[in-house]
Amino acid sequence: AQSVTQLGSHVSVSEGALVLLRCNYSSSVPPYLFWYVQYPNQGLQLLLKYTSAATLVKGINGFEAEFKKSETSFHLTKPSAHMSDAAEYFCAVRVDTGRRALTFGSGTRLQVQP
Amino acid sequence: EPEVTQTPSHQVTQMGQEVILRCVPISNHLYFYWYRQILGQKVEFLVSFYNNEISEKSEIFDDQFSVERPDGSNFTLKIRSTKLEDSAMYFCASSEFGGPAETQYFGPGTRLLVL
Repeated sequence: AQSVTQLGSHVSVSEGALVLLRCNYSSSVPPYLFWYVQYPNQGLQLLLKYTSAATLVKGINGFEAEFKKSETSFHLTKPSAHMSDAAEYFCAVRVDTGRRALTFGSGTRLQVQP
Repeated sequence: EPEVTQTPSHQVTQMGQEVILRCVPISNHLYFYWYRQILGQKVEFLVSFYNNEISEKSEIFDDQFSVERPDGSNFTLKIRSTKLEDSAMYFCASSEFGGPAETQYFGPGTRLLVL
């Protein structure tokens, strides 16, 4: 079965600083990986996804993530944090075994300090 | 941009009561899903639905839960006899064809509180 681990339930950065949110996955077959963001009182919005086309994936709002098979990681980065990036971020995995369920990590709450 | 909508945004109910959570998926999507997130815990998959039947369900989705597409636009989750531990945020999602690389589009959620 697949699983996702997000290291750090809370991350705090200063405005303009690098954002790094960690995600490690476990899967016995090639995974599809997703990052979703949840702003307060809103639903989950897709930031980006890895579908095996390219290991470096660019998403919305300046975020990107790199799939590293050797490290079983899919960390989310943004070079310069904005106040508007404050939200909860979820990493999720899915595999092509006929199952359609996304398996989510526990989430990381990002705080951006002025 | 098309979006998934859910009603109500909040629901408070007494233990043992039935609740129905409603969702309107994106109109050309064929697969529908329910997930839930108990406060402080992970988002968990409950069920997926295609062609008017359940295509996959988790161990959480027991006999007290049911799903239905009563008309061409709504998708509902019914909890027959609510328990305290059913208190959670319930998310509806939809995807176009259900493929593994496809994006699932989520609604804003319904926060259910069982007293």
